[in-house]
Amino acid sequence: QMQLQESGPGLVKPSQTLSLTCTVSGDSMASGGYHWTWIRLLPGRGLEWIGYMSYMLYTEYNPSLASRVTISMDTSKNQFSLTLTSVTPGDTAVYFCARDSFLSPQAIKPNGLDVWGQGTTVTVSS
Amino acid sequence: EITLTQSPGTLSLSPGERAALSCRPSQSVNSRYLAWYQHKHGQAPRLLIYATSTRASGIPDRFTGGGSETDFTLTISSLEPEDFAVYYCQQYETSPWTFGQGTKVEIK
Repeated sequence: QMQLQESGPGLVKPSQTLSLTCTVSGDSMASGGYHWTWIRLLPGRGLEWIGYMSYMLYTEYNPSLASRVTISMDTSKNQFSLTLTSVTPGDTAVYFCARDSFLSPQAIKPNGLDVWGQGTTVTVSS
Repeated sequence: EITLTQSPGTLSLSPGERAALSCRPSQSVNSRYLAWYQHKHGQAPRLLIYATSTRASGIPDRFTGGGSETDFTLTISSLEPEDFAVYYCQQYETSPWTFGQGTKVEIK
């Protein structure tokens, strides 16, 4: 059974770059047509979709973050990563990596985040 | 961007009671692209329902999803102690995919 685990620094200074890695275990990232996704839980504001990289290496980002975010993948290491530049205290959140799957036979896009990491807390503060 | 409005914000119920959660998109969402998640503090969110009404693997049948277009519901027929959590709906109709603000189901 596939498992995901986030890793990275828990504290980042304002204006610096946040870098997180998600390590996939239990199966190969290349085994299916998934979208490898990052989501964050903002204090008092709920879940926010950050973006994904597909198995075809296509990326799509939330427009609210697109100018600052990059998602990349290293299938040889079974990992994918998130980079967020110029962070502010507003980026303080729990960051989750997740697998977005095509769960319905007729679905032409993914329709369920069926595997998640435990989440990692990132605080932006000087 | 599609906004999902969940209500109520908090639901205070006792074990054994029925919970009814609402999710209202600001635009019509194809039923294939509406999902529900359960989240407990310090844990990974868990997919409960996808395509409006299909239970994900291992999800008990006390969880039922329904609705269409701009009115979706998640019903928990009889609350178990482990069901007290925050529930989010999510849409995949239009990018960016968005979540509702969540409904907290707490013990009364």
